[in-house]
Amino acid sequence: DQQVKQNSPSLSVQEGRISILNCDYTNSMFDYFLWYKKYPAEGPTFLISISSIKDKNEDGRFTVFLNKSAKHLSLHIVPSQPGDSAVYFCAASALGNQFYFGTGTSLTVIP
Amino acid sequence: DAGVIQSPRHEVTEMGQEVTLRCKPISGHDYLFWYRQTMMRGLELLIYFNNNVPIDDSGMPEDRFSAKMPNASFSTLKIQPSEPRDSAVYFCASTHRGRLRGNTIYFGEGSWLTVV
Repeated sequence: DQQVKQNSPSLSVQEGRISILNCDYTNSMFDYFLWYKKYPAEGPTFLISISSIKDKNEDGRFTVFLNKSAKHLSLHIVPSQPGDSAVYFCAASALGNQFYFGTGTSLTVIP
Repeated sequence: DAGVIQSPRHEVTEMGQEVTLRCKPISGHDYLFWYRQTMMRGLELLIYFNNNVPIDDSGMPEDRFSAKMPNASFSTLKIQPSEPRDSAVYFCASTHRGRLRGNTIYFGEGSWLTVV
């Protein structure tokens, strides 16, 4: 059973606009969330994280928002750049244990 | 510092053959994870080790799959016998205990398995 879900398999955005990638989870014990970025033929690389004690974390063009009551998090990329085109995975963990990943969203930023 | 190293990068094998995937975690990391990437399930955790001991193997799909970690610098994932539905990208990842709660895990580049 998928505990972390990314319901949009793909997303296309114009360069310079905002990209919003969404993630939902079912386990209320999850207290730490991460986003990973994956280019073709490479392993996923860490992008940004957020702890459940926060509702927002920002790192340059990337911002992650957490809505605990809705069990929802989102990644905003502003402004989007062609180099951001990749597959984005969200992940969650509970009490420092294993990470559960979603199915990924393929982002294409159109120049 | 070298990252997580996986081999082979690509493997094509015939159904019924044994497949062994290898992983060298980052030095000093005491957690090692094996993931499988598929379209349907994304990055699916198969098994993870702490200090070379398997902690959770509930994600291993069948008895055909087995994993070992004989020492802190080496792990294998074996499929015997392999089937076409095992075709996927297999990732190894590692992290240190202190970072497991705080930050991130580090992935290798993956082993692309095709079973024909």
